[in-house]
Amino acid sequence: AQSVTQPDARVTVSEGASLQLRCKYSYSATPYLFWYVQYPRQGLQLLLKYYSGDPVVQGVNSFEAEFSKSNSSFHLQKASVHWSDSAVYFCALSPASSGSWQLIFGSGTQLTVMP
Amino acid sequence: GGIITQTPKFLIGQEGQKLTLKCQQNFNHDTMYWYRQDSGKGLRLIYYSITENDLQKGDLSEGYDASREKKSSFSLTVTSAQKNEMAVFLCASRPTISNERLFFGHGTKLSVL
Repeated sequence: AQSVTQPDARVTVSEGASLQLRCKYSYSATPYLFWYVQYPRQGLQLLLKYYSGDPVVQGVNSFEAEFSKSNSSFHLQKASVHWSDSAVYFCALSPASSGSWQLIFGSGTQLTVMP
Repeated sequence: GGIITQTPKFLIGQEGQKLTLKCQQNFNHDTMYWYRQDSGKGLRLIYYSITENDLQKGDLSEGYDASREKKSSFSLTVTSAQKNEMAVFLCASRPTISNERLFFGHGTKLSVL
């Protein structure tokens, strides 16, 4: 069965510091992978997605993520965080097969950026 | 651009009560979803629908009914609210049969007294 694990429920960093939010997945083949962000009192918004090709994908607001098939991981990174990046971040997986409609989410990581 | 509108934003119910949440989208998307968000547990799929009048159960469907009478709307019914239940219900839609991104509404926050 497919699953997504985000091992860190909460992460706190200082403004200007670098960031890595971890995501591990379980799936028998290469899935489609996503990072979504949920700002306070807002719906989830797509940050970036990986379908195939270059394992490093760029997203909005200078976020990027690196897909690793050998590690079954899709970690989110940012070189220098801003206080406005404080939000909940979700990693998600969609099986890469036709007729598969489900998007499976991790439990989320609450990011707090200290001024 | 389009929008997903969930009503109501806040819902307070009594134990045992039947409660209905509504979702409207004007993207003209085929597929719509209902997720439940609990603190520390991420999003769990309740129901989804790939076209009008279609319903598919997710992992969390027990205790819920859903209805997709029109392409643009997808409603969710809590058949019997549980005491002290508190969660956010998120509606989402997706444009095509491919694995494109989901678009989300802002959620309905449910509290059961």
